[in-house]
Amino acid sequence: DQQVKQNSPSLSVQEGRISILNCDYTNSMFDYFLWYKKYPAEGPTFLISISSIKDKNEDGRFTVFLNKSAKHLSLHIVPSQPGDSAVYFCAASVWEGGSEKLVFGKGMKLTVNP
Amino acid sequence: ETGVTQSPTHLIKTRGQQVTLRCSSQSGHNTVSWYQQALGQGPQFIFQYYREEENGRGNFPPRFSGLQFPNYSSELNVNALELDDSALYLCASSLAMVRGNTEAFFGQGTRLTVV
Repeated sequence: DQQVKQNSPSLSVQEGRISILNCDYTNSMFDYFLWYKKYPAEGPTFLISISSIKDKNEDGRFTVFLNKSAKHLSLHIVPSQPGDSAVYFCAASVWEGGSEKLVFGKGMKLTVNP
Repeated sequence: ETGVTQSPTHLIKTRGQQVTLRCSSQSGHNTVSWYQQALGQGPQFIFQYYREEENGRGNFPPRFSGLQFPNYSSELNVNALELDDSALYLCASSLAMVRGNTEAFFGQGTRLTVV
């Protein structure tokens, strides 16, 4: 039972255009959402997060949108750069039994073509 | 570079054997979490340690166990290895117990292959 879903395994965009990565979740107890980027042979790197009390968070070229009623969030990257090519993981945070754990989606491979 | 280091980077073990993976946390971080990432999947939470005690566990059997040391470094031990244990094992350190502080820093992972 996957609580965090990234339904598109891959996305290819041209340099300078917008990349939109989508994520859906099922657990209403999730109250914090994060995006991680992963290059081959490296661990995931934190990119941007959003609290469930907000609907938008922006950091430079990266913006995350949250639609709680639809249980959907998206990451916008604009303009996309070749260095953004990586696997992106959507993750949700839940507080259970005195600890906070992350529930990850399967990831989506983004390729930005020069 | 996150400051979280894991060893070894790669490991091959035989089914039934035991394995110990190690993680050195980022300086100042008191919480470490371990994740298993199978091929084509996202990382899956194994357990978390805070101040040397297990502080939460995912859906993994008891043959997955861990330790956290006074310097906040950590070990993941897996007994009676099975073929399905083949995966990338990720360690993440954070300064937790502050709700919303979820910016965990991951190590590069240990690739375990069970044959």
